[in-house]
Amino acid sequence: DAKTTQPTSMDCAEGRAANLPCNHSTISGNEYVYWYRQIHSQGPQYIIHGLKNNETNEMASLIITEDRKSSTLILPHATLRDTAVYYCIVSPSSNTGKLIFGQGTTLQVKP
Amino acid sequence: GAVVSQHPSRVICKSGTSVKIECRSLDFQATTMFWYRQFPKKSLMLMATSNEGSKATYEQGVEKDKFLINHASLTLSTLTVTSAHPEDSSFYICSWRTGANYGYTFGSGTRLTVV
Repeated sequence: DAKTTQPTSMDCAEGRAANLPCNHSTISGNEYVYWYRQIHSQGPQYIIHGLKNNETNEMASLIITEDRKSSTLILPHATLRDTAVYYCIVSPSSNTGKLIFGQGTTLQVKP
Repeated sequence: GAVVSQHPSRVICKSGTSVKIECRSLDFQATTMFWYRQFPKKSLMLMATSNEGSKATYEQGVEKDKFLINHASLTLSTLTVTSAHPEDSSFYICSWRTGANYGYTFGSGTRLTVV
């Protein structure tokens, strides 16, 4: 599985956009980019995923570079409840594809 | 959609006993699911991949005889920690492969403490 590199931690002011980067320079053509987050002592929560086009849903936007070697998760208006560990994962789209978690980025949203 | 129920949320057991953790998909069916464990302040570590009706595939370093996985249906899988030891104390999380829209859906986790 392709590995990802994320900053260990980031801070963001409440109400501002949080931009979380992820490098996945060895991603293969059939691998999706997934973003999950984990709030303390809970199971990971799905945020968004994409293959090569930018994606947007009610939670976030995902911007994938044209060469697919990096991506950015954007939380448009961060709230205190967005404080969590955010994981960027790449995985094949097959039914047997498994998610291998890296260390993630701890996002602290501050008042 | 894509709701997963994991029970119990917390369990304390004595060394040498066995503990069963149940993971159900409530509003979907899926063939493939995964079990993870997570130590404090660490990331999730994949333990095994399980396909309904087949034997689970364990990751390197995970003892298959200690962590028994039963995946008898498209909506239910169980993980049994046998002969538990204090070092098995961890946060165990299940996940189902739910397809294109959601990718993977996770349970809320089980905090196991072995005393």
